[in-house]
Amino acid sequence: DAGVIQSPRHEVTEMGQEVTLRCKPISGHDYLFWYRQTMMRGLELLIYFNNNVPIDDSGMPEDRFSAKMPNASFSTLKIQPSEPRDSAVYFCASCLAGDRPETQYFGPGTRLTVL
Amino acid sequence: AQKITQTQPGMFVQEKEAVTLDCTYDTSDPSYGLFWYKQPSSGEMIFLIYQGSYDQQNATEGRYSLNFQKARKSANLVISASQLGDSAMYFCAMRARAEGGSEKLVFGKGTKLTVNP
Repeated sequence: DAGVIQSPRHEVTEMGQEVTLRCKPISGHDYLFWYRQTMMRGLELLIYFNNNVPIDDSGMPEDRFSAKMPNASFSTLKIQPSEPRDSAVYFCASCLAGDRPETQYFGPGTRLTVL
Repeated sequence: AQKITQTQPGMFVQEKEAVTLDCTYDTSDPSYGLFWYKQPSSGEMIFLIYQGSYDQQNATEGRYSLNFQKARKSANLVISASQLGDSAMYFCAMRARAEGGSEKLVFGKGTKLTVNP
C-alpha cells in the first residue's frame, strides 16, 4: 500500500509569496495531521482533521496559515504571505481510529525555505 | 499538561552493542500510549514501537524493545546489536487527550544516536 504522500518535497520561495503544501493520506485513514519541525521547537502539531473536519487548529501559528481538507484523500496547508521564520520541514501524518495501536504514519515531509 | 522528556541530546554506541535511549513522560490520563519514531538523515519519520499504558508486557519489535516502567513514568527504548544504519534521531512520543478524544501526539526533543564501526 502507498504511504502518506506529500508534495512538493522541497520548496524554495521568497518572502511574501504564497506557499501551498499538499498531502494525500493513506487510503481509509480518517485522521490527518499537519506538523512542523524546526531545530528550535522540534515537532509541533499545527492542526488535525477527523473525517475531513478540522478538530484542533490551536497549533496554527497565526492567520497566515490555513489548512483545508476538501475530501478524504487530499489536504492542503497554505501560508500566505510566507516569512523566513516559516522555514521548516512540514510533515503530514494519518491514522485510522480504532487501529490497535492508533499509529500515526508520516509522509516524507516538505522542506520549505523562505528567503 | 502532557509532556515528554528526552534528556540525552546525543548518544554514541559501538556497532553490535546494545544502547538505551531514555524517555520520561508526564500525564494525568490513566489511558495513554507511548511511541518511538526513528528519523534518519533522509528526514522521514519511521514508526518503531508502541506501548500501551495497560499493556502487561514490555513491547518488542525485532531488535527494538521498550523498557516500560509505569511507576517511574519512563519508556526507554533499547536497541540490541546496534547496526550502522541505526544512526539517526529517535523521538519518543505520547498519545495525549485532545478535543474530540482523538490522537494528538506530543513529541520529545529527540536523541541523536551515532553508531560507531
